Amino acid sequence: DAGVIQSPRHEVTEMGQEVTLRCKPISGHNSLFWYRQTMMRGLELLIYFNNNVPIDDSGMPEDRFSAKMPNASFSTLKIQPSEPRDSAVYFCASRTGSNSGNTIYFGEGSWLTVV
Amino acid sequence: SQQGEEDPQALSIQEGENATMNCSYKTSINNLQWYRQNSGRGLVHLILIRSNEREKHSGRLRVTLDTSKKSSSLLITASRAADTASYFCATGNTGGFKTIFGAGTRLFVKA
Repeated sequence: DAGVIQSPRHEVTEMGQEVTLRCKPISGHNSLFWYRQTMMRGLELLIYFNNNVPIDDSGMPEDRFSAKMPNASFSTLKIQPSEPRDSAVYFCASRTGSNSGNTIYFGEGSWLTVV
Repeated sequence: SQQGEEDPQALSIQEGENATMNCSYKTSINNLQWYRQNSGRGLVHLILIRSNEREKHSGRLRVTLDTSKKSSSLLITASRAADTASYFCATGNTGGFKTIFGAGTRLFVKA
């Protein structure tokens, strides 16, 4: 299995630009998560999808952030407009089912720097 | 908000020694998991312990759970330089889907 695939792995962009992060979950997994990791705030859950439907987006910091999952094999996290404080590592993760005890599989992350 | 809080924040030991990391959490849980993150990589699942279990082993890993104290510990025995990583506890809420991660313990094992 290829695991969770994220792109781009690294992105440097200027403040005000739109950023789109992409994720392909593991085939057969019906739960998908977007997390953000920073030194200051640790690993934060941004949004959770189950069967392509957003179930909990309470962690999305503000309206500049949006996430979509048009089908079971693809999700995007978009930041528009981006700000320097958005600099972080963004992880996509997936698992089978909706049980919190099931193992979550993480991608390698998208390292975002906004200058 | 984060559910679990690990301590210590950082731990440096010699190869061959045991490493113990602790996790405390605030609310009722269904399960607790430990994950490992190598520098620049994603998190990898290590072990899960359910709320009705007190201890679990997997290779050189030993996890304990004390629900009365709302705490868990991860013991890595006979540590190796390759164990150098950050270790996170993650809690799952009862009847829910959320898995919330703590701030992590950075472990450095000196060869």
